[in-house]
Amino acid sequence: DAGVIQSPRHEVTEMGQEVTLRCKPISGHNSLFWYRQTMMRGLELLIYFNNNVPIDDSGMPEDRFSAKMPNASFSTLKIQPSEPRDSAVYFCASSLVWDQPQHFGDGTRLSIL
Amino acid sequence: DQQVKQNSPSLSVQEGRISILNCDYTNSMFDYFLWYKKYPAEGPTFLISISSIKDKNEDGRFTVFLNKSAKHLSLHIVPSQPGDSAVYFCAASGNGNKLVFGAGTILRVKS
Repeated sequence: DAGVIQSPRHEVTEMGQEVTLRCKPISGHNSLFWYRQTMMRGLELLIYFNNNVPIDDSGMPEDRFSAKMPNASFSTLKIQPSEPRDSAVYFCASSLVWDQPQHFGDGTRLSIL
Repeated sequence: DQQVKQNSPSLSVQEGRISILNCDYTNSMFDYFLWYKKYPAEGPTFLISISSIKDKNEDGRFTVFLNKSAKHLSLHIVPSQPGDSAVYFCAASGNGNKLVFGAGTILRVKS
């Protein structure tokens, strides 16, 4: 079975550019989560969706961050404009229902120069 | 404020011995606890969980213990193997709240 698929695996871009991270959850999973991992803050939840509807976006750091889930098999996390402090590893995860163990993708390593 | 704390950044254990990873939490509403393992350049993978109605859950070499009065849980790996070397994250949720992760503990199992 295919796991959670994230793209790209690595992204290097200049400050001010728009960045779009993509995620394909496991088929049949109804909940999708976006996390950010940094040395300072560890693994922090940015936003999660239930049945394609955003439920909790309290972890989204600023208005520069936005996330969408247009259908059950695809989600994006967008940063516009990007800043060097956004550099981190971004993980997408999905689960059958929101309070069950989550399956993580391999992450996108983002570097903003 | 950190609701889930893993106070040991790293742990080194000899192959074949027991590894004990610890986790403390502050939110008394947490009722479901999980451990994840993470290898470099990969996402975390679910390892084992326990709900607050139990104080122990075992799965092969992995056992999680929960002490609700102390707000403490631990993961025991017996016997430890070099392939267990990874970062281990403790996580907790409850009362309809999102999953909260600890900062992680790096486990090194020496052969």
